[in-house]
Amino acid sequence: SQTIHQWPATLVQPVGSPLSLECTVEGTSNPNLYWYRQAAGRGLQLLFYSVGIGQISSEVPQNLSASRPQDRQFILSSKKLLLSDSGFYLCAWRYAGAYGYTFGSGTRLTVV
Amino acid sequence: KQEVTQIPAALSVPEGENLVLNCSFTDSAIYNLQWFRQDPGKGLTSLLLIQSSQREQTSGRLNASLDKSSGRSTLYIAASQPGDSATYLCAVTGNQFYFGTGTSLTVIP
Repeated sequence: SQTIHQWPATLVQPVGSPLSLECTVEGTSNPNLYWYRQAAGRGLQLLFYSVGIGQISSEVPQNLSASRPQDRQFILSSKKLLLSDSGFYLCAWRYAGAYGYTFGSGTRLTVV
Repeated sequence: KQEVTQIPAALSVPEGENLVLNCSFTDSAIYNLQWFRQDPGKGLTSLLLIQSSQREQTSGRLNASLDKSSGRSTLYIAASQPGDSATYLCAVTGNQFYFGTGTSLTVIP
């Protein structure tokens, strides 16, 4: 069966520090991968998605970037965090086409 | 652009009551609709996935319906329990993937 792993679960980082969140999927190949952010009291916002290795699409301009160095690995990064980057970050995967989404357990990021 | 709305934003019911959560969307050109549950501080757990060609899906005490023509879906929870307390999100997949803002459910023992 397929599983999705996301870490760390929580992270407290100072403003201006770098960020690296990792997401890996097991038990599948060539998945579509997604990074979402859920700010406090707000809905889910799609940040990045990837349909293959090295292929990244950005939905909103921001201080963050994403990379997909391997088929089942998706990384969210920042060179210098801002206070506004605080939130709950969720990784998800699905097969292309009319398939449902499976989400990771999320990373709570607090920028101080 | 697709807009997904969930009403009510919050709901509180006594244990044992049957309840309905609503989800509406503006563009009927969807591939599927998915209902999720999110516990505080946790990720999203998929509950039910309804393909655009289907009218409903059932899992245990949950039943989700889909009416594409009217742009509506309902999630029916039978005999609610305190453990059902969570935020319920619907999401539609069309050219892109759109989430509703969720309904926060509290089941009172």
